[in-house]
Amino acid sequence: DAGVTQSPTHLIKTRGQQVTLRCSPKSGHDTVSWYQQALGQGPQFIFQYYEEEERQRGNFPDRFSGHQFPNYSSELNVNALLLGDSALYLCASSFFPGGAYEQYFGPGTRLTVT
Amino acid sequence: AQKVTQAQTEISVVEKEDVTLDCVYETRDTTYYLFWYKQPPSGELVFLIRRNSFDEQNEISGRYSWNFQKSTSSFNFTITASQVVDSAVYFCALIEDGNYQLIWGAGTKLIIKP
Repeated sequence: DAGVTQSPTHLIKTRGQQVTLRCSPKSGHDTVSWYQQALGQGPQFIFQYYEEEERQRGNFPDRFSGHQFPNYSSELNVNALLLGDSALYLCASSFFPGGAYEQYFGPGTRLTVT
Repeated sequence: AQKVTQAQTEISVVEKEDVTLDCVYETRDTTYYLFWYKQPPSGELVFLIRRNSFDEQNEISGRYSWNFQKSTSSFNFTITASQVVDSAVYFCALIEDGNYQLIWGAGTKLIIKP
């Protein structure tokens, strides 16, 4: 049973560039959430996708956008990168409604902006 | 507004000692869910437990146990006979019913010395 997978593992970008991160949910899951975790802090909720739509969003600017595909996989896009966007980006999957509150996480993508 | 507080930033104990990680939460909802996650140095968040607000039974799983007390809004986690492999950052988190955003504490870094 495959767990949540994310790609790439690490990424280095320059200020002003754009980046796309990818996530495949755990088998049987239909919902994907994205979190940003700065060094030494707890994760911060970016948004959640269900049925290919953004269902809920945290306090992140419009530079952060996403997409969910028919196979439930998801992408996180960040435009006009800032140094402060350097963080570990975590994807979590769950299934709605029975497991809506139980999120399983992938290994994360570590983004460094220089 | 919902909030999770983990007052212990870092705990260091010698192997085989018992250790308790504290978690205090705030919410106005009567129905909510509490979680503990473990984050080893690899970065992947590992789900440990979910507790529903209407179920105050304590839970034991091997060396792990959880004490949920609504009267004090606390959900503490105890590791009995700690092992070096327990070294990690532990996060407490909260979701309110109807909401899909995990609210996280700042985490407690647990160091188990051999």
